[in-house]
Amino acid sequence: DAKTTQPTSMDCAEGRAANLPCNHSTISGNEYVYWYRQIHSQGPQYIIHGLKNNETNEMASLIITEDRKSSTLILPHATLRDTAVYYCIVRVFSGGGADGLTFGKGTHLIIQP
Amino acid sequence: NAGVTQTPKFQVLKTGQSMTLQCAQDMNHEYMSWYRQDPGMGLRLIHYSVGAGITDQGEVPNGYNVSRSTTEDFPLRLLSAAPSQTSVYFCASSYSAAGGQPQHFGDGTRLSIL
Repeated sequence: DAKTTQPTSMDCAEGRAANLPCNHSTISGNEYVYWYRQIHSQGPQYIIHGLKNNETNEMASLIITEDRKSSTLILPHATLRDTAVYYCIVRVFSGGGADGLTFGKGTHLIIQP
Repeated sequence: NAGVTQTPKFQVLKTGQSMTLQCAQDMNHEYMSWYRQDPGMGLRLIHYSVGAGITDQGEVPNGYNVSRSTTEDFPLRLLSAAPSQTSVYFCASSYSAAGGQPQHFGDGTRLSIL
């Protein structure tokens, strides 16, 4: 799996858009970019994923650069409930294999009132 | 809209006791897996299953057994609990293990071994 680099922490004002960056410069052509988050003491929650094109769902938007070496997760109108650790994961398969999902340290997003 | 259901939510065991952590999903997912998460650390894969009757080991399988007799259920058994198995356990499922399939996680079982 390609290595990812995320900022350790970020702040965002409530109601504003939260933009979370992720660098994955060694990504290969068949690797997807997945985003998950973990709110304190809860199970990880899937947010969105993409391969090449930008994606949008009811939770967020995912912008992938043309060279696929970086991406940005956008929460359009952040609320206090969006305070969580956000993980960017790059891999071919969504599961399987002996290594499973590697969540790393992620970005601790703090939404300020 | 149950998704992935884990029981119990909390459990305290004595060293040497055995127990089964239950995981059930109602989404007809083929792929299921078990992770453990220790304080300040990421998730580590214990066991996984790509379909009923098929299981395989993950990164940290020692001390745990699994079986997959139905598509819906994937129980995790601790054979003889040890303090090192104190952790939060998460079960996850997806339609398949192929690329582009999101993993859905349960809310976890918090297990303490005394």
